[in-house]
This record gives sequence, C-alpha cells and structure tokens, in this order.
Amino acid sequence: SQQGEEDPQALSIQEGENATMNCSYKTSINNLQWYRQNSGRGLVHLILIRSNEREKHSGRLRVTLDTSKKSSSLLITASRAADTASYFCATVPGNQFYFGTGTSLTVIP
Amino acid sequence: NAGVTQTPKFQVLKTGQSMTLQCAQDMNHNSMYWYRQDPGMGLRLIYYSASEGTTDKGEVPNGYNVSRLNKREFSLRLESAAPSQTSVYFCASAYTRLDEKLFFGSGTQLSVL
Repeated sequence: SQQGEEDPQALSIQEGENATMNCSYKTSINNLQWYRQNSGRGLVHLILIRSNEREKHSGRLRVTLDTSKKSSSLLITASRAADTASYFCATVPGNQFYFGTGTSLTVIP
Repeated sequence: NAGVTQTPKFQVLKTGQSMTLQCAQDMNHNSMYWYRQDPGMGLRLIYYSASEGTTDKGEVPNGYNVSRLNKREFSLRLESAAPSQTSVYFCASAYTRLDEKLFFGSGTQLSVL
C-alpha cells in the first residue's frame, strides 16, 4: 500500500491544550500535505511542506518533516472546540496524492 | 466559483446494477482524482487523470472505470456494483505542479445492497 499512517488514531484534549499528531510514510516524496475533514464533508487543505523543508508554520499550525525517518508531525496550538475533526496526511510522490488513515481529534470545551 | 461538484450526493444500488458518478471542476485544473473512503481505511485512490486525455489506475481500481470527458469533467463508473463497493466516494482536482494542493468535492454516499 502507498498509504501513510497517522498516529494516534484518536486524540481527545481539553480546549486550550496543544494537539500533536504524527504521520509515517513509505515512499520518496515531493511534498507532504495535511488535510482536515469535518464530519460528513470533503477534505480541506491545511498546509504543505516540501521535501527540502524541515518545518513550516501557518497560524496555529506547525508542521515538521523528517525525510530520513519518513515521518511528519502536525501540531495545533491552543486548540478550540471548532478544531474537532479528522486530520489526514497526504504524501505526493509524483502526480498522485496518497492519504493516511487519519487521526480523529476531539477538543472538549 | 463552485469548485468541485459531485453528483449524486446519495445513491442506493442493488448488487449487479450499474451507475456513473459525475464530477466537474471549474478551476481549470489539469489533474483529477477519484477516492473512496471506508472506516479505518482512510482515503484510497481509485483512478486519476494527470491531464485531459489520460487516465491511470490507483491503489484500488478493480470494479471501476473512468472517463476524462474533457478538462472539466471526470466520471467514475461502476459496471456491476458489489456490496464491497459500499463507501463514500470523493472527487478531487489539482493543478499538479509540485506545490499544488487538492480541492475536494463534498462526496457521494453509495450503498450497494
């Protein structure tokens, strides 16, 4: 399978806490992306990190990439109830986008 | 702009029936994709089209066919539906430069009885 794998599968935190989720993948990549999916909806792009980058920030999001370990992490700081969703990493080895199995995040108000 | 539009939103089929899922994008994207999403399996790529006139198999193409009708439209056909094809189907598109992102449709919930 080309899929990546997110860890943990599920995460429950209190509002205001930070949430960290990890992604491991198998193939060489051009870039790695993180997406968010609210229940019953399509995925929405959050952030992209290129293979020659190690860290990237966007608002309350911080993404790291370690190509030697084929892994990435997504940190959401100061979480809000509205951050409750599933989060997926996508690896992009060429024209294809391969998604992991997702982390379900619940932020408790 | 509508973005990526999928029809229908819901469909129930009997085993052996056929149907076509339609997808259209108005963003002048070159690449289009079909995914299925099953609980615990994440999104799996069925077929993709890197450009108008080309299609390629993804991870799980068996039981499906696709047509890239023009630059805007990419359809997914189930010739003889099976219960194992019960899933949520998503269409997506991208420019397909190295730093581009996917835009998703809202999905089709398909049940095969």
